[in-house]
Amino acid sequence: NAGVTQTPKFQVLKTGQSMTLQCAQDMNHEYMSWYRQDPGMGLRLIHYSVGAGITDQGEVPNGYNVSRSTTEDFPLRLLSAAPSQTSVYFCASNSRGNEQFFGPGTRLTVL
Amino acid sequence: GQQVMQIPQYQHVQEGEDFTTYCNSSTTLSNIQWYKQRPGGHPVFLIQLVKSGEVKKQKRLTFQFGEAKKNSSLHITATQTTDVGTYFCARSGGSYIPTFGRGTSLIVHP
Repeated sequence: NAGVTQTPKFQVLKTGQSMTLQCAQDMNHEYMSWYRQDPGMGLRLIHYSVGAGITDQGEVPNGYNVSRSTTEDFPLRLLSAAPSQTSVYFCASNSRGNEQFFGPGTRLTVL
Repeated sequence: GQQVMQIPQYQHVQEGEDFTTYCNSSTTLSNIQWYKQRPGGHPVFLIQLVKSGEVKKQKRLTFQFGEAKKNSSLHITATQTTDVGTYFCARSGGSYIPTFGRGTSLIVHP
């Protein structure tokens, strides 16, 4: 099993550009989530999904969209990138009540 | 959302010294999870505690869950350079999506 995969690993955007961060898992987990990590701020939840077709907002959802058309995939879309979105983004998945498995992360810089 | 508070934010130790990080909540926790993130890496699950007063050990790591289920601690005995990283506690909410503390970064000096 590949676990949780994320692409790309690194990305540089200009302010106002849009892009999609990809996330996939092959563990048949119902729950998937996106976090951003900034120095000293820990892991902050952006959006999450409790199953295909169901998504909800986390702590810091503004400027991001998600969809969950399949169990495996949970892409994160940046609508119009801003320098404040420079961060490391982690996708994670879990089954109910159990540990989260994290992807390797995407390091995003917005100029 | 309801957060868990972690202290300290940073801890410098000499190799061989002990290390403890604390996780506190103002409300009762159903469970607490601990994760480790190596520099440049992603968080990796260490353990989950569920029962009041629970104590679990993994080699030199000891995890405790308070009697009131409002606090938890991770203690490392005789730190090694391989212990370097950030340790996070996380509470699991009703959505089964964990909410993370800000983490404690451990720096071990050889």
